This record gives sequence, C-alpha cells and structure tokens, in this order.
Amino acid sequence: QKEVEQDPGPLSVPEGAIVSLNCTYSNSAFQYFMWYRQYSRKGPELLMYTYSSGNKEDGRFTAQVDKSSKYISLFIRDSQPSDSATYLCASFSGGYNKLIFGAGTRLAVHP
Amino acid sequence: SAVISQKPSRDICQRGTSLTIQCQVDSQVTMMFWYRQQPGQSLTLIATANQGSEATYESGFVIDKFPISRPNLTFSTLTVSNMSPEDSSIYLCSVVGQASQETQYFGPGTRLLVL
Repeated sequence: QKEVEQDPGPLSVPEGAIVSLNCTYSNSAFQYFMWYRQYSRKGPELLMYTYSSGNKEDGRFTAQVDKSSKYISLFIRDSQPSDSATYLCASFSGGYNKLIFGAGTRLAVHP
Repeated sequence: SAVISQKPSRDICQRGTSLTIQCQVDSQVTMMFWYRQQPGQSLTLIATANQGSEATYESGFVIDKFPISRPNLTFSTLTVSNMSPEDSSIYLCSVVGQASQETQYFGPGTRLLVL
C-alpha cells in the first residue's frame, strides 16, 4: 500500500463547477499536508499547506484534512480554465522534511 | 519563496553518456533535494544534497548512478551517469522555505530523454 493514495483521474469539469480533489494516507505520523499544482512542462507550485486537522481557505481554494479518517481534500470553487493542471497532494511527519507525494490528479476545466 | 532555476531545461542524450543538471537558488537555503518524476507518475525523492558533505540517498538510488555536489548554500548539481532509456524523466530540485521549514519549493525541472 502506498503511503499517499490519489486517484490520477483525469477529471473534466465545466467552467464554474466546484471541484473536489481527494487523497488518503496511511501513516498516522503525518502532520503536514500540502497541495501542489503542476502545469504541463513546469515544476510543482505550492498551493496550500495545512498542519494537522481542519480547514484552510485561500481565495477559491479550500484545503481540508480529516486525520480521523486519514483523508485530504482540496476544493476549488468557481473553477476556471486556468485551473487546468495536475494537482498533487503530499504529506510528511515533519523534521526530516521528506515529502511523500500522491500520484497526482489531472484536472481539465473546459469553457 | 525562493527563486529556483535549473539548467538545462531539457536535453536529449545517447545511452551510455552522462548529463549534469544544475540547480541555482537566489538565496541561501539549508536543505536542497533532488526528485525524479517519470512520465505520468508522481515525484520520487532521489537524495538530499548536503552542503559540505556527501548526499543522503533514498532506497533504490546510489551515488555511482546519481552523484550529487553541493559546494555552497545556493547551488547543487545532479549527474545522471551511464544513462539508459529508463532514465528518461523530469528531474527537479527543491528547497525548504526559509520562512516556513515545513514547505518545499520546486525548480522548473529538467526534461531528459535518453535514446
């Protein structure tokens, strides 16, 4: 079993839709949870990070962590074609800073 | 966040040759990492580049195949040695943020195709 599982998609939605991207993890020691966005032919860009359980909002993006179920979510409101990218979740336990990545979900938002 | 550049941005190489990838950061950083992203897959950590000492390699990666240098706090190189088509991948360097030790920032990547 991979430490971080993520459905690779692809996910195709119309512009304006609410997008839900999800990951599960197996390591109870994970405390930090990140979402990266990667456009084609670019490096991953840090979108959001959260510590422990709870929600964090930044504009149209909301990151949610439920440690009881080991579930990580990213919600995108009012999705735009410019949101079309691969979204990678990542987790780690701190200290050494070794990030464990999910497989990435490819999102396409069509006009 | 730090500004990270990589050279070359892409290359096509013949099997059996070696390629050195450079990573330059615009500020001094404590921790630098090298990742590989194979086609259609996620990121896998190759090694941590330690300043002034040998790199720390992850399971499945060895120094003879991926020698790393870290001469100072703003620069590192990764060499992919004796390449085979299986080494075709995107190679990325990353650094830990100065403001927040819990965040990593990535360079734009080097796309490598081995024929």
